[in-house]
Amino acid sequence: GQQLNQSPQSMFIQEGEDVSMNCTSSSIFNTWLWYKQEPGEGPVLLIALYKAGELTSNGRLTAQFGITRKDSFLNISASIPSDVGIYFCAGHGGSQGNLIFGKGTKLSVKP
Amino acid sequence: DTAVSQTPKYLVTQMGNDKSIKCEQNLGHDTMYWYKQDSKKFLKIMFSYNNKELIINETVPNRFSPKSPDKAHLNLHINSLELGDSAVYFCASSRQTSGRQETQYFGPGTRLLVL
Repeated sequence: GQQLNQSPQSMFIQEGEDVSMNCTSSSIFNTWLWYKQEPGEGPVLLIALYKAGELTSNGRLTAQFGITRKDSFLNISASIPSDVGIYFCAGHGGSQGNLIFGKGTKLSVKP
Repeated sequence: DTAVSQTPKYLVTQMGNDKSIKCEQNLGHDTMYWYKQDSKKFLKIMFSYNNKELIINETVPNRFSPKSPDKAHLNLHINSLELGDSAVYFCASSRQTSGRQETQYFGPGTRLLVL
């Protein structure tokens, strides 16, 4: 079945640093989504990508849908303490099947 | 206004009991889902359901059954609870669009602890 590899598993950074995380798939996806989950809450959508090569920003966040359709990255610029949480990528291969989630990247930001 | 809501937020119960978790969405979406998040934070789909079709993840025990009284609700009923059922359960919903996976919106989660 389809698999998603998300890396890194965790990151410990200083406030103000930029962050980059990525996901790769064993097969082609038509949709890439990036979610953030804060402690005690459900995942919240950050960015949705629907076209290969698409580059989309949401404030300090930027995500791209890879040209090969097998990968996506999320960048966070000038991190702040409230960026702390677990970031999940999720992908979908088409009209059939379910949304597949990566295992998450846990981000810790030191003030 | 809460888009996807779940009750209860916390559920502590004894092994062998039967329990239900409720989910409601006010987004007018056609499709609803249940996910299980384990202690390692891995999110795994359990069910997806719209008014036409229930898709069950084959790894989900048949002690778990979704029940949908109407398009805005998808409840999760669990029979004969086991210790391994302890996890956070998330409900989600999305629009139904042919040929494309629409964005899923998640509820706040129900933290189930089986003793």
